[in-house]
Amino acid sequence: GAVVSQHPSWVICKSGTSVKIECRSLDFQATTMFWYRQFPKQSLMLMATSNEGSKATYEQGVEKDKFLINHASLTLSTLTVTSAHPEDSSFYICSAFSRGRYLERGYTFGSGTRLTVV
Amino acid sequence: GESVGLHLPTLSVQEGDNSIINCAYSNSASDYFIWYKQESGKGPQFIIDIRSNMDKRQGQRVTVLLNKTVKHLSLQIAATQPGDSAVYFCAETPLTTDSWGKLQFGAGTQVVVTP
Repeated sequence: GAVVSQHPSWVICKSGTSVKIECRSLDFQATTMFWYRQFPKQSLMLMATSNEGSKATYEQGVEKDKFLINHASLTLSTLTVTSAHPEDSSFYICSAFSRGRYLERGYTFGSGTRLTVV
Repeated sequence: GESVGLHLPTLSVQEGDNSIINCAYSNSASDYFIWYKQESGKGPQFIIDIRSNMDKRQGQRVTVLLNKTVKHLSLQIAATQPGDSAVYFCAETPLTTDSWGKLQFGAGTQVVVTP
């Protein structure tokens, strides 16, 4: 089955520093990567959508200069949280999507990254 | 459905009983629906899906029902097991060009299976 590897699984950083989260599709090419944020006891909220080789599109209210997304290849997307603050502490999840696959299996989620900013 | 609230509704189910989890979605243009299971500290796991041209679909121990008239989706789990304890989310997406693939997640339901 399709696998998406997300790293790191957890990270603690100091306020003001930047953190990079990687999301790799291991056995398929992802035409699109979605990035979600999830606060405790809440649902997944879509942050941005990135297509390989083009700029990411951000959902309303998500600061594009703070959450930098790079999707340089069909198997790798990165999310960089710049100048992190405690309120950025959350669970970040990527989802790799491939139109070439059966629709019902088109989405494959990473295992998530727990970010804690101290 | 839209994600609202600061806490998840909880469904407590006795082991062996059937579970029914409900979801109200908001976008009448949504064509495709998915149920996900999320265990603590992990990403969502696909359970079952359904397209808008169907009103019922069955999988192994799970059934999804779709009522487009009232924009309601349900997930039925037969003979609930302790391993079914998790948070369950419905997700929807319209299969239109500009929104292709964008999943909107519902608020989620915490299922607790008791012995």
